[in-house]
Amino acid sequence: DGGITQSPKYLFRKEGQNVTLSCEQNLNHDAMYWYRQDPGQGLRLIYYSQIVNDFQKGDIAEGYSVSREKKESFPLTVTSAQKNPTAFYLCASSIGNPGSHNEQFFGPGTRLTVL
Amino acid sequence: AQSVAQPEDQVNVAEGNPLTVKCTYSVSGNPYLFWYVQYPNRGLQFLLKYITGDNLVKGSYGFEAEFNKSQTSFHLKKPSALVSDSALYFCAAGRGGSYIPTFGRGTSLIVHP
Repeated sequence: DGGITQSPKYLFRKEGQNVTLSCEQNLNHDAMYWYRQDPGQGLRLIYYSQIVNDFQKGDIAEGYSVSREKKESFPLTVTSAQKNPTAFYLCASSIGNPGSHNEQFFGPGTRLTVL
Repeated sequence: AQSVAQPEDQVNVAEGNPLTVKCTYSVSGNPYLFWYVQYPNRGLQFLLKYITGDNLVKGSYGFEAEFNKSQTSFHLKKPSALVSDSALYFCAAGRGGSYIPTFGRGTSLIVHP
């Protein structure tokens, strides 16, 4: 899983709560991404960021928020507005621009379960 | 819009036999193509990529992939499968610029002893 860490590994949330998933990288990568993985649906892009203090919505951003205050960190908040948040969340980073030909490096993931 | 199709949810192969995991893509212009592998409850690991040049790309762990422009395919192959190759495999396609690569739904590879 390279130089990307995600915490916690498992997270349980009660309905109506906001929770924040941590993602840190020490690869000096500019671009960072958040994906959601559900069985049989592959990876779906939630948000991505090219530089500090800038981020863009992906395909399924509703009910999620992010920040990029430091190059190394890209936390994801799952808000109470996300109606079906139970999933496996993956953070990734890559060199250069998000749409470049550079491969992505993935963290180990956080499994979020709503109780 | 760009899209990736992995037509097989699951591929079964006997250890020692060759394996193929299929991927087709729809991308305007020249595509960038990637293969990643995911072991249970882990993140994805990069295997190989095609940007330009030789249509046969060699990657990690003895895997290779063949880019076929006319068939818009990028199938993953390995001459002799190992039980330890059993995992979930994802194909991804992009086209540069501001377009984030799109991932396929994944194919579960099961290698039987």
